[in-house]
Parts: sequence; C-alpha cells; structure tokens
Amino acid sequence: QKEVEQNSGPLSVPEGAIASLNCTYSDRVSQSFFWYRQYSGKSPELIMSIYSNGDKEDGRFTAQLNKASQYVSLLIRDSQPSDSATYLCAVNRGGGSNYKLTFGKGTLLTVNP
Amino acid sequence: KAGVTQTPRYLIKTRGQQVTLSCSPISGHRSVSWYQQTPGQGLQFLFEYFSETQRNKGNFPGRFSGRQFSNSRSEMNVSTLELGDSALYLCASSYGAQGTGELFFGEGSRLTVL
Repeated sequence: QKEVEQNSGPLSVPEGAIASLNCTYSDRVSQSFFWYRQYSGKSPELIMSIYSNGDKEDGRFTAQLNKASQYVSLLIRDSQPSDSATYLCAVNRGGGSNYKLTFGKGTLLTVNP
Repeated sequence: KAGVTQTPRYLIKTRGQQVTLSCSPISGHRSVSWYQQTPGQGLQFLFEYFSETQRNKGNFPGRFSGRQFSNSRSEMNVSTLELGDSALYLCASSYGAQGTGELFFGEGSRLTVL
C-alpha cells in the first residue's frame, strides 16, 4: 500500500461546480495534513493545512480530515478556470526527528469554462 | 520578503559527472528540505536540514548528499550522475525549530542528464 494515495485524474468539472479531491494515507501516527497546488511548470504552493478531525474552511476551499478512516479531502466551491492545476496531498508524521513529509502523486484538476 | 531562491534553474550534464545545486531559504527560515520531482514518481523527499544538521533523510543512494551553512543556505550534490537523475529538484524552507509540513518551495533546478 502506498503511503499517500490520490486519484491521478484528470478530474474535470464545469466552472462554478464543486471539485472534490480525495487522499488516503497509510501511517496511522500521521499528525498533520496539507494540500499543495502546483500549476504546470511551477513549484508547489501551500493552500491548506489541517491538524484535527473535521472541516477547515478558507474562502472557497474546505479541507476535511477523518483520522479514523485515514483520509483527507479538499473541496473547492465555485470552481474557476484558474483553479486548474495539480493538487498534491501531503502527510507529516510529526516534527523534529519524527518529521517525515510524504506527498501523494497529485490529482490533475481541470475546470472548464 | 524574498522567496526561496534556487540556482541554477536549468542545467545539462552527462553521465558520470557531478552537480551542485544551491538554495537560499526565506529570511528567518532555518529548515531546508530538498525534493526530487519526476513525472513517474512525483515528489520524493531527499533530506532535511536544520541548524546545519541533517535531521532526516529519504531513501536515496549515497550519491545524493547535502549540507547547510550557518546562514541557512543549503547545497545538494549528486555525484556520478545517472540518466535516471534527470528531474526537477525542489528546495523548500520552513520556519520554526520543529519540522512542519508548511513549506515554501523555490522554483526548482531542472537537471537533464545525457
């Protein structure tokens, strides 16, 4: 089982729709979870972090974490063509000597005008 | 505030050569991590440095090495280059004494090995 798994996509949604991106992880001791966005030819940029079970909202973005089921999701409401990018899920075991940040391979999202 | 700066941005080497890549983190950031990104494997962790000490290391051969200087700038070196080392090498910095997943990435150094 891969440490962090994401559907590679592409996920295609119409403009204005909700895009739902999912991620599962295998290490039960994982403590913190992140979503990065990477535009084609660019480097990843952090868009959301979540540390406890439940939902965390930031503008059009909502991150959801369920540690019991070992999954993290990212919802993008009112999707825009500018949201078209690869979304990377990252999972961290902990800080200091326990630090191990593992990325999924990413889901390519295309928002159609 | 200047972002993470990586040099060189592009380079071409031949098999057997070595390469050194440089990374200047965001001012005040003390942790620097290096990642290799390829289409097939995605982002893979190479190593992380904090206060000039390698704190964590990924599953890469010993040909991959790095160091961090007292000003937090970091370098990574790849010796005896192989075709499979062709990739985008990303440096990321973060703030704080403990490693976090909140990373700020540089634009990367794209290495092509012929």
